[in-house]
Amino acid sequence: AQSVTQLDSQVPVFEEAPVELRCNYSSSVSVYLFWYVQYPNQGLQLLLKYLSGSTLVESINGFEAEFNKSQTSFHLRKPSVHISDTAEYFCAVSVFNQGGKLIFGQGTELSVKP
Amino acid sequence: GAGVSQSPRYKVTKRGQDVALRCDPISGHVSLYWYRQALGQGPEFLTYFNYEAQQDKSGLPNDRFSAERPEGSISTLTIQRTEQRDSAMYRCASSWGGETQYFGPGTRLLVL
Repeated sequence: AQSVTQLDSQVPVFEEAPVELRCNYSSSVSVYLFWYVQYPNQGLQLLLKYLSGSTLVESINGFEAEFNKSQTSFHLRKPSVHISDTAEYFCAVSVFNQGGKLIFGQGTELSVKP
Repeated sequence: GAGVSQSPRYKVTKRGQDVALRCDPISGHVSLYWYRQALGQGPEFLTYFNYEAQQDKSGLPNDRFSAERPEGSISTLTIQRTEQRDSAMYRCASSWGGETQYFGPGTRLLVL
């Protein structure tokens, strides 16, 4: 079975500071990795994903995540956050050829303060 | 363009009543997924369909929960004899059959 652990439930940070949201997963088989974001009063949106190839993936709004197989991690980073990045962030995995069902972590609430 | 839609957005019901939650996926999407999200938790998988065929229902918590997608498009998740522990956000997602799922806004269910 697969599981996802997000190590921080809440991360407060000041605007323009760097941030890292941590995600570790457990799986005996290869997985795809995702970060989803939920802005206040909105649905879940895909932020970025790792399927194969380069272990560093980027989003259009400046976030990046690196797949580290040896540490079974997929941490999300941004060098300088904005107020508008305030949201809840979910890390998720799916298993190749098992229908695509997502297994989510518990979420990290990122709060960016001015 | 039209995304995934869900209705109702909010549902308040009394314990013991049946509820039906509807999901309208993105046009042409093959796969449709249902998830449940309790407050302060991540979404948990319930079931999914490819076209009209239910491929995996391992996440349905008990036999009060059922889902259908009779024409391979709109899906209904039905909860019979609701209990207070069923209160949660119910999320639907669809995909082309690939890895990226697009989520709807969710239905918040409150069982009194």
